[in-house]
Amino acid sequence: EPEVTQTPSHQVTQMGQEVILRCVPISNHLYFYWYRQILGQKVEFLVSFYNNEISEKSEIFDDQFSVERPDGSNFTLKIRSTKLEDSAMYFCASRGLEDTDTQYFGPGTRLTVL
Amino acid sequence: AQTVTQSQPEMSVQEAETVTLSCTYDTSESDYYLFWYKQPPSRQMILVIRQEAYKQQNATENRFSVNFQKAAKSFSLKISDSQLGDAAMYFCAYRTGPYSGGSNYKLTFGKGTLLTVNP
Repeated sequence: EPEVTQTPSHQVTQMGQEVILRCVPISNHLYFYWYRQILGQKVEFLVSFYNNEISEKSEIFDDQFSVERPDGSNFTLKIRSTKLEDSAMYFCASRGLEDTDTQYFGPGTRLTVL
Repeated sequence: AQTVTQSQPEMSVQEAETVTLSCTYDTSESDYYLFWYKQPPSRQMILVIRQEAYKQQNATENRFSVNFQKAAKSFSLKISDSQLGDAAMYFCAYRTGPYSGGSNYKLTFGKGTLLTVNP
């Protein structure tokens, strides 16, 4: 069964550094999402992406964040200058046209900012 | 804004027995969907079951069923005949429906309930 994959599984970075988290959605899906979960807190929506543009973003998704679909398969989340409070698990999800109710999630990338 | 609350951080159940996980939500919308997602250790979140708010009948998927109480804004998950493979974090989630203006299908999650299944 097709799965959403994410790399790396764990990323450690220094405060102020740029990080790029990568996701490969399911191949025929058209809607893409990033969520994050700070340890002990809820999974929170960051951004949705469709037709090569952001369709909705949350308050969390400020100018330090950006998303891109650089080719036909990858979907990336970039944090330009990481802060300690960006430490979290980041989940990518994708959704197809046929089963609009189901978002398929990746296993997550654990980002640790030191 | 919509909120989802899972009041049980952890639950445990004996194998073959039944367990119920609680979820309440708050919304002023009339059209919405509710979901339970399961996340096994170090694995993806997968959809367990979903319920459309306009449907009176409670959703059922094999051993998993929900008790949807719309007036009380309650959406509990019942797992019957629990198996060791049911051990996971369970998340309750909410999505605005299209007739309430939802278009991007973003999910609002609760904090999760960690379910342990004892052999």
